[in-house]
Amino acid sequence: QVQLVQSGAEVKKPGASVKVSCKASGYTFTSYDINWVRQATGQGLEWMGWMNPHSGNTGFAQKFQGRLTMTRDTSISTAYMELSSLRSEDTAVYYCARVDTGDKKWDYWGQGTLVTVSS
Amino acid sequence: QSVLTQPPSVSAAPGQKVTISCSGSSSNIGNNYVFWYQQLPGTAPKVLINDNDQRPSGIPDRFSGSKSGTSATLGITGLQTGDEADYYCGTWDSSLSAFVFGTGTKVTVL
Repeated sequence: QVQLVQSGAEVKKPGASVKVSCKASGYTFTSYDINWVRQATGQGLEWMGWMNPHSGNTGFAQKFQGRLTMTRDTSISTAYMELSSLRSEDTAVYYCARVDTGDKKWDYWGQGTLVTVSS
Repeated sequence: QSVLTQPPSVSAAPGQKVTISCSGSSSNIGNNYVFWYQQLPGTAPKVLINDNDQRPSGIPDRFSGSKSGTSATLGITGLQTGDEADYYCGTWDSSLSAFVFGTGTKVTVL
């Protein structure tokens, strides 16, 4: 069955970077885009960006330009989201989600990774 | 703040129907597909509706989606206590070149 399993919770200091992984299984990793979405405690969903694992092409929300990197390792079917220059407002649960490259339909989500930014 | 506006909360008794609106503009809902997500407390979101009105396999037909102009609506019939959750609409915004989520609506079963 399709699964997206994310790495564990992280605690980072302001100014540091965090790298969250999203390991895919149960399907051909390069056939679907991976999107990243975050949610601060008690707040709504915020789209961060997408990556096509086949080509490596990415697209980011304007507010994350320059701070966000998305990469992948196709040999282990894993996508990565790295956010740099962390500030307290980046404290949130980060989710990866699978989106069909062709018809852009969303389906499976990872379980979420809590990133806490605190001095 | 989000470019897609939803009511903060809706409520109804078990067995009744609720509708959740999602208001946008021509750069988003007006010219792109709308998606709906359900987020149960403490869990990851789940897709309820793709492409305005398409239910993924496993989603009961109590959930329905529609779109008209620059607004979309999620309907839930036969309301159950297990439907208590936050619901979000989402769509691509061509002006922002970004996917945008609605402000979210909390559904309460009275």
